[in-house]
Amino acid sequence: RKEVEQDPGPFNVPEGATVAFNCTYSNSASQSFFWYRQDCRKEPKLLMSVYSSGNEDGRFTAQLNRASQYISLLIRDSKLSDSATYLCVVMAGTGGFKTIFGAGTRLFVKA
Amino acid sequence: NAGVTQTPKFRILKIGQSMTLQCAQDMNHNYMYWYRQDPGMGLKLIYYSVGAGITDKGEVPNGYNVSRSTTEDFPLRLELAAPSQTSVYFCASSLILGIGTGVRGNTIYFGEGSWLTVV
Repeated sequence: RKEVEQDPGPFNVPEGATVAFNCTYSNSASQSFFWYRQDCRKEPKLLMSVYSSGNEDGRFTAQLNRASQYISLLIRDSKLSDSATYLCVVMAGTGGFKTIFGAGTRLFVKA
Repeated sequence: NAGVTQTPKFRILKIGQSMTLQCAQDMNHNYMYWYRQDPGMGLKLIYYSVGAGITDKGEVPNGYNVSRSTTEDFPLRLELAAPSQTSVYFCASSLILGIGTGVRGNTIYFGEGSWLTVV
């Protein structure tokens, strides 16, 4: 089992749609969680951190379920500019610090 | 702040040649990383460093070497380039605070990438 797993997609959605991505992780000692965005031929950039209480940034909402070991990202009112690959990132701090990137979920938003 | 700067942006190598990818960060981050990303694939960790003088292998270290003589610089050396090393290479850094179970991760900042082709 991969340490961080994501549905690779691609997700093809029309503008204005709501789309949700899920990510599961295997290390129960994981402590920090993030969603990154990567545009084609560009470096990954932080989209948002993920907290147990859930957090929202405009059209984006991130949730963490520690009991089930999964993280979600919800994008409302999709824009063409949301087209990118979304990477789930998990950090664990026990026994040596590890940062694991998921393989990413590709999103295409169509006009 | 320039953030994470890596050079060169593009390079074509012949099989068997060697080269060094340079990486520097000006954010005083303790952790630095080198990742490679093959087309349509996720990031794979090559090497990382938790501070000056300390480096460790990641998931795919074979064919590469690193050094960390200063906090700012983390060059990646490719020895005897092979076609399998054709990839995009990303240098990154982050500030990791705390120890043991108290460690809390922070944002990882990436360089713009280096496109390497081995022919």
